[in-house]
Amino acid sequence: DQQVKQNSPSLSVQEGRISILNCDYTNSMFDYFLWYKKYPAEGPTFLISISSIKDKNEDGRFTVFLNKSAKHLSLHIVPSQPGDSAVYFCAASEVDGNKLVFGAGTILRVKS
Amino acid sequence: NAGVTQTPKFRVLKTGQSMTLLCAQDMNHEYMYWYRQDPGMGLRLIHYSVGEGTTAKGEVPDGYNVSRLKKQNFLLGLESAAPSQTSVYFCASSKLVGRETQYFGPGTRLLVL
Repeated sequence: DQQVKQNSPSLSVQEGRISILNCDYTNSMFDYFLWYKKYPAEGPTFLISISSIKDKNEDGRFTVFLNKSAKHLSLHIVPSQPGDSAVYFCAASEVDGNKLVFGAGTILRVKS
Repeated sequence: NAGVTQTPKFRVLKTGQSMTLLCAQDMNHEYMYWYRQDPGMGLRLIHYSVGEGTTAKGEVPDGYNVSRLKKQNFLLGLESAAPSQTSVYFCASSKLVGRETQYFGPGTRLLVL
């Protein structure tokens, strides 16, 4: 049973528009959430994170929103650029947890 | 500073053969992890280590063994490879526990025939 779910396998967006990637979780013990980005033939790289005490965290073009009551988080990329085309993984960690649980990933394609 | 490196990059095995994947990090990180990535499944944790000489099971440990004899190295072993172990394997390390950023290696693509 997947504790972290990314229900959209892929997303296609026009350059300059907003990309919204979604993630849902089922484990109430998760209190820290991260997004990783992965290019083909490379390892994932950390993008942005958010603690459960916040509902929003922003870093340049990337913003993560957390809705704890809905157990839902989203990553917004504004404006989207062709170089953002990659696989995006959502991940979560429990309080005092020593590991991350990853979602299945969403392939983002930004068309120029 | 090479970060996290993995050896080999690609390997083909026959069913029943054994092999060891090597992960090395030069960031003096305490925590190291082995994941496998399969289509539609994301990254699943196989084993992890919270320090030199320690190992622990992750989500999908069956068929794999690990060792952390030196802080900078984390080895993943397949004693008797099966086609179900065809996957891309990623090693990662982090300075401290779970919520710390994990740094990933470039991956090892393994094909078991």
